[in-house]
Parts: sequence; structure tokens; C-alpha cells
Amino acid sequence: NAGVMQNPRHLVRRRGQEARLRCSPMKGHSHVYWYRQLPEEGLKFMVYLQKENIIDESGMPKERFSAEFPKEGPSILRIQQVVRGDSAAYFCASSPSIKGGTDTDTQYFGPGTRLTVL
Amino acid sequence: SQQGEEDPQALSIQEGENATMNCSYKTSINNLQWYRQNSGRGLVHLILIRSNEREKHSGRLRVTLDTSKKSSSLLITASRAADTASYFCATDPYGNNRLAFGKGNQVVVIP
Repeated sequence: NAGVMQNPRHLVRRRGQEARLRCSPMKGHSHVYWYRQLPEEGLKFMVYLQKENIIDESGMPKERFSAEFPKEGPSILRIQQVVRGDSAAYFCASSPSIKGGTDTDTQYFGPGTRLTVL
Repeated sequence: SQQGEEDPQALSIQEGENATMNCSYKTSINNLQWYRQNSGRGLVHLILIRSNEREKHSGRLRVTLDTSKKSSSLLITASRAADTASYFCATDPYGNNRLAFGKGNQVVVIP
């Protein structure tokens, strides 16, 4: 069973361009999470998605950032008009199910996409 | 403030020694998790300890949780060079799977 897949592993963009980051969850997992990690920092939650639904996007900037998890295909994190401050490692995680409020399923992380904005 | 804040440490030890790192948090939790991140890689889940547990073991790992002090510790016994990594604790303060991570402890094990 392959783990969480992310691509590309490294992405370089110039200011003003668009960045598209892809995440394929583990087989059988229907919940996807995106986190951002700045240098020397811990991970910060961005968005939580299920198939075709955004469950919680409270950690994602309101402008330029969007995420989707279509019925078919990988989850996509899209950053429009990138700026230098968007340079970071973006991690995707997946989990198989949610137990009602009293437990947290282990989230399995992908290797990350390292975005560099020139 | 951010949940799951470790005392940011850079710990350098000799192979075979034990490594201990700490984590504190601010609100009530259902559980606390520890993850390892090797340089330039993703996170690997190590262990989850529930709020009604005080101590948990997994191989060479020992985790403690003190909910009265809102703190946790991770002990790695008989360290190996392969244990060189950053270690993060994470909580789910609102029970909604939105993990909050600390800044991490960097551990270097010298062969």
C-alpha cells in the first residue's frame, strides 16, 4: 500500500505565477489535510477536505489560495500570483475516517512539496 | 498561542545515550501525538497518548503526559545515529482533526 504521494517534490516559481501542488492520499483514505511549514517552524494547518467537500479552510489565506479534492483524482492546493512569502514546504496528510470528536485518527504525511518563489 | 509548543531545543548526544525532549500546550486535549521529521522529508507518526494515559511505550520510545501541567515528554532510549531528526508534538485542541504543531526539537545523534 503506497503512502501519501505528493508532487512535485520541488517547485520553483517567479513572483506572480501560479503554483499547483498535488496530493494523492493513501488508498482507502477519504480525508485530506494540507499544512504549511516555514523554515525552522512547525507545521501550520491550512485546510481539511473530504471528497468534493471543504470541511475546514480556516487556516488558509482568504486570497490567492484555494484547495479542492475532486471525486476522481488527487487533491490540489493552488496558489495564485505567488509572492516570496509563499516559499515554504507544503505537506499533505490523509486519514481513513473521523471518529466523533473524542479521538483523532492518525494522519499519514506525504514527503512534501518545497515551493521556492524567486 | 499555538498548541503543542516544545521547548525549542537542539540536542546533541552520543550514540547509546538517552534523549529527552519536552512539549507544553495550553488548552485541554483529548490526546497528544509525537512525530519525527528527517531532514527534508515528511513527518512520521511515532506515538499517540490519550488524555487519560500517563505513560506509553513503543519500542525505544517512552512518552509521558501530565495533564495537570499541560506537558508531555518523549524519551528515546539507547539512541542510534538513525534517530537524528526533528521531533514535533501535536495536539488536536478542538477535536476536529486540525493538528497544532510545536516548533520541534532537533536531535543529533553522534555515532
